[in-house]
Amino acid sequence: QVQLVESGGGVVQPGGSLRLSCAASGFTFSSYGMHWVRQAPGKGLEWVAFIRYDGSNKYYADSVKGRFTISRDNSKNTLYLQMNSLRAEDTAVYYCASFNDAFDIWGQGTMVTVSS
Amino acid sequence: QLVLTQSPSASASLGASVKLTCTLSSGHSSYAIAWHQQQPEKGPRYLMKLNSDGSHSKGDGIPDRFSGSSSGAERYLTISSLQSEDEADYYCQTWGTGILVFGTGTKVTVL
Repeated sequence: QVQLVESGGGVVQPGGSLRLSCAASGFTFSSYGMHWVRQAPGKGLEWVAFIRYDGSNKYYADSVKGRFTISRDNSKNTLYLQMNSLRAEDTAVYYCASFNDAFDIWGQGTMVTVSS
Repeated sequence: QLVLTQSPSASASLGASVKLTCTLSSGHSSYAIAWHQQQPEKGPRYLMKLNSDGSHSKGDGIPDRFSGSSSGAERYLTISSLQSEDEADYYCQTWGTGILVFGTGTKVTVL
């Protein structure tokens, strides 16, 4: 079945870096755009970044532009989010997701805590 | 600016119906949206895509109790025959160029 599984979350100090991964299965990963969405504790959903199916275009929320980089490896069916210069306000559960004409799916999320 | 507005809370009795509203900002009344459910301590779950004409397509396994409708810039999610597991946060979401926009969510309480 169509599935997304995130990994790579953890505790990191302010100013530090972390790379999240999202492993896709059950569909032709290279054919679909992918999003990262986050949710701070007790808050709503916030879109973070999007990458087109072939990696040709990338879009970022203003809150992460210049600090986060979305990328993908279609040979490994994996989506990434490189997070640099992390701040306390980046503390959240990070979800990968895809919404398209064929299917709509969320991953289960991975927690990122930025704290000293 | 593309903005989605939702009421913060709604409630209804077990077995009753509740209708949630998501309002698109001015100039965006033709946009389709999606509804997502987030039960306590769980990740979001896609419910349906809802077009401006009221047509909608639900995700796999979404019960018939969930339905969508539209009127002008407003998009609705109706939950009929409320069950305890319907107590959750409900988010509407739409698409800009390469981006997603989420509403602030409506917390549904089943009385």
